Amino acid sequence: DSGVTQTPKHLITATGQRVTLRCSPRSGDLSVYWYQQSLDQGLQFLIQYYNGEERAKGNILERFSAQQFPDLHSELNLSSLELGDSALYFCASSAHTGNYGYTFGSGTRLTVV
Amino acid sequence: KNEVEQSPQNLTAQEGEFITINCSYSVGISALHWLQQHPGGGIVSLFMLSSGKKKHGRLIATINIQEKHSSLHITASHPRDSAVYICAVWGTGTASKLTFGTGTRLQVTL
Repeated sequence: DSGVTQTPKHLITATGQRVTLRCSPRSGDLSVYWYQQSLDQGLQFLIQYYNGEERAKGNILERFSAQQFPDLHSELNLSSLELGDSALYFCASSAHTGNYGYTFGSGTRLTVV
Repeated sequence: KNEVEQSPQNLTAQEGEFITINCSYSVGISALHWLQQHPGGGIVSLFMLSSGKKKHGRLIATINIQEKHSSLHITASHPRDSAVYICAVWGTGTASKLTFGTGTRLQVTL
């Protein structure tokens, strides 16, 4: 157990639907990062939050949004889902921003059918 | 051309061999990370480097900032080292974000 908890582990949903992925960071970590790993695109950085505020943005689609709550857990919302959104979504946390080691969660496997 | 290039893409080695995986990048960075992803999908952060060299067990990571190049070495390789090794760089400036290489798939056989 890495200390970063992601739920659910697996999710199957239909096109057009909306889902929410949840991440609880390791105790004491203030930064949360979201990544997408698909077969054709590899790993891509989506977004980073630090202590509740958005800190950096990567290749996140407008249909996707995220937030970090006062208790530091984070949610990634994916809406109007398309087949191409099927991927592994990882969350990672770190104590500070950017230049520190990360701890990854085990990921949520999203399948859009 | 990708901002982060890894070589080789695939690597097969026999147990006990010394392994080197290379990573070259084209952007200014504040840090470089080496990650390991096992066949089950889990990702482990191995190293974060901004200069010099780091060692952890049989793993050694080096970085040359001037040449924009990093290497990950595995000494006395073992089948349990079989995984995908991913280099990622944290860029500097207003476009600061983490950019990943495509990974090196390592298979260590007995």
